[in-house]
Amino acid sequence: RKEVEQDPGPFNVPEGATVAFNCTYSNSASQSFFWYRQDCRKEPKLLMSVYSSGNEDGRFTAQLNRASQYISLLIRDSKLSDSATYLCVVNNRMEYGNKLVFGAGTILRVKS
Amino acid sequence: NAGVTQTPKFRVLKTGQSMTLLCAQDMNHEYMYWYRQDPGMGLRLIHYSVGEGTTAKGEVPDGYNVSRLKKQNFLLGLESAAPSQTSVYFCASSYDLRGTDTQYFGPGTRLTVL
Repeated sequence: RKEVEQDPGPFNVPEGATVAFNCTYSNSASQSFFWYRQDCRKEPKLLMSVYSSGNEDGRFTAQLNRASQYISLLIRDSKLSDSATYLCVVNNRMEYGNKLVFGAGTILRVKS
Repeated sequence: NAGVTQTPKFRVLKTGQSMTLLCAQDMNHEYMYWYRQDPGMGLRLIHYSVGEGTTAKGEVPDGYNVSRLKKQNFLLGLESAAPSQTSVYFCASSYDLRGTDTQYFGPGTRLTVL
């Protein structure tokens, strides 16, 4: 079983739609959580951190449910520029410090 | 600031050849990482470094070696390339190792091993 699992999609949505991505993680000791965005053939970039209380950044809302080991990302009023792969990422302990464990990503395509 | 840079951007190798990928960062970050990304899989950590002169194994270290002789540079070596090492390689750096700090990624190196 993968440590971080995501629905690969693709999610094809029209501009203006609301879309939600989910992610589950297997390590109950995971300490922190993130969503990264990766454009086609580019490097990943941090989109937002995810907190237990939930957090919002403009049109993006992230939620964490530690009991269910579940993370979500909600995008409202989708733009063409939101088309990308969204990577769910958790932070786990390793021998020296912590490491980020990446999900395989969910593809979003926003169409006009 | 250039951030994190990687050279080369593309490379094609024959089985058994060797090569070195170079990562450089100008953000004075202590921590640096090498990942590989394959279709349908998340980024996987190959090796990482917690400071100049130190390196440690990640999730998939076999077939790779690394060196961190200078704080700003992190080198990834393939001594005898295999087709299974065909992948996109990303370098990253961060200010701290707690994992709560943002990792900044380089643009990637696309490697094909024939």
